[in-house]
Amino acid sequence: DIQMTQSPSSLSASVGDRVTITCRASQSIKTSLNWYQHQPGKPPKLLIYAASGLQSGVPSRFSGSGSGTHFTLTISSLQPEDFATYYCQQSSTVPTFGQGTRVEIQ
Amino acid sequence: EVQLVESGGGVAQPGGSLRLSCVVSGLTFRNYAMSWVRQAPGKGLEWVAAIGASGGSSHYADSVKGRFSFSRDNSKNTLYLQMNSLRAEDTGVYYCAKGLLPYTGSYADYWGQGTLVTVSS
Repeated sequence: DIQMTQSPSSLSASVGDRVTITCRASQSIKTSLNWYQHQPGKPPKLLIYAASGLQSGVPSRFSGSGSGTHFTLTISSLQPEDFATYYCQQSSTVPTFGQGTRVEIQ
Repeated sequence: EVQLVESGGGVAQPGGSLRLSCVVSGLTFRNYAMSWVRQAPGKGLEWVAAIGASGGSSHYADSVKGRFSFSRDNSKNTLYLQMNSLRAEDTGVYYCAKGLLPYTGSYADYWGQGTLVTVSS
């Protein structure tokens, strides 16, 4: 299976900060990379598909980039409702998720 | 509005069985592959299984292969996950989700609220 590694595992940030989360794949997955937001007690929410496609209804402060083995999720200006755990997920082969990045309030 | 509603979670003993269901509404169910994803307590998300739109093909994570069976009834818009030979490490919240068929580049754009499975003696 393809291994997905996210960094950092957690971060503390303030409202208004620019936040970047990195995801690396153990082999090339082209652009078959998706990002989800997961808040406690709620189901995961799709944010970005195919590395850079913004899911309908998701605010434009979220953006994704990358291809091959290196991908990033950027939140341009962190809002209070963005504090959550973020997961990358590859869909090139058998789906696998990264270990998650917890975004906490500083 | 698309809705996915899971049921069937609960407590089972190690070696026991449970059957999860997921009723889907608000979309043409028979057109879409579906999956189960789980989250163990304090852990991340893990894809468990997927089934093709017609139900003719299913795929499983190595951790559940041979123990879990995924099926669907397109006349009832319902998914079923039969879980046998349960282990403590199967404990977690189980989500049904639209998409995530292996090797297709797909993503999960709709999710249920989840149902809790606890395997304990």
